[in-house]
Amino acid sequence: DIQMTQSPSSLSASVGDRVTISCRASQNINNYLNWYQQKLGKAPTLLIHAASILQGGVPSRFSGSGSGTDFTLTISGLQPEDFATYYCQQSYSPPVLTFGGGTKVEIK
Amino acid sequence: QVQLKESGPGLVRPSETLSLTCTVSGGSISGSYWSWIRQPPGKGLEWLGNFHYGGSTHNNPSLKSRVTVSFDTSKNQFSLKLTSVTAADTAVYFCARIFSYYWYFDFWGPGTQVAVSS
Repeated sequence: DIQMTQSPSSLSASVGDRVTISCRASQNINNYLNWYQQKLGKAPTLLIHAASILQGGVPSRFSGSGSGTDFTLTISGLQPEDFATYYCQQSYSPPVLTFGGGTKVEIK
Repeated sequence: QVQLKESGPGLVRPSETLSLTCTVSGGSISGSYWSWIRQPPGKGLEWLGNFHYGGSTHNNPSLKSRVTVSFDTSKNQFSLKLTSVTAADTAVYFCARIFSYYWYFDFWGPGTQVAVSS
């Protein structure tokens, strides 16, 4: 099975900072990588699919990049509403779908 | 806009069966893949399996044969049964729709908390 590893598991940042979150797959998954945001007590929401395609309504300060085994979620200019936990999910090997362990973005 | 809502008991005894229902509105359950995902307290997301009304079923191997899902098209609902529960099954349980062209979860329910305790 494909394993997904996120780093860091948590980070502290200030409003306005540029934040990068990494996600690594245990094997080549091309660009079959999706990113979700989860706020406390809420269900996750899809931010990006296919590694870099922003969902409608997601602010343009969010961007995704990468291919193969290494992927990055970048938030350019962190806003107060962006403090949340972020998860990657591979969709290379359906129907088995795997999440990364999550990265919690906290206020510095 | 598709909307999902989980329902079921918030407390289950150890060794018993956890039963939850997901009610879907804004779209038919017969045309999509659906999933159950859970989140233990303070931990990450765990995919439980993907299920289709037509009979296609794929469970997370870590749960072996403990998971079954059934569909009720008359109520536009699908239901989860997880047998032989232990404290490790305590979690928030989410139902979600899969956009199967690219296999991501595009609509989620708000989640329901289930505790396993005697």
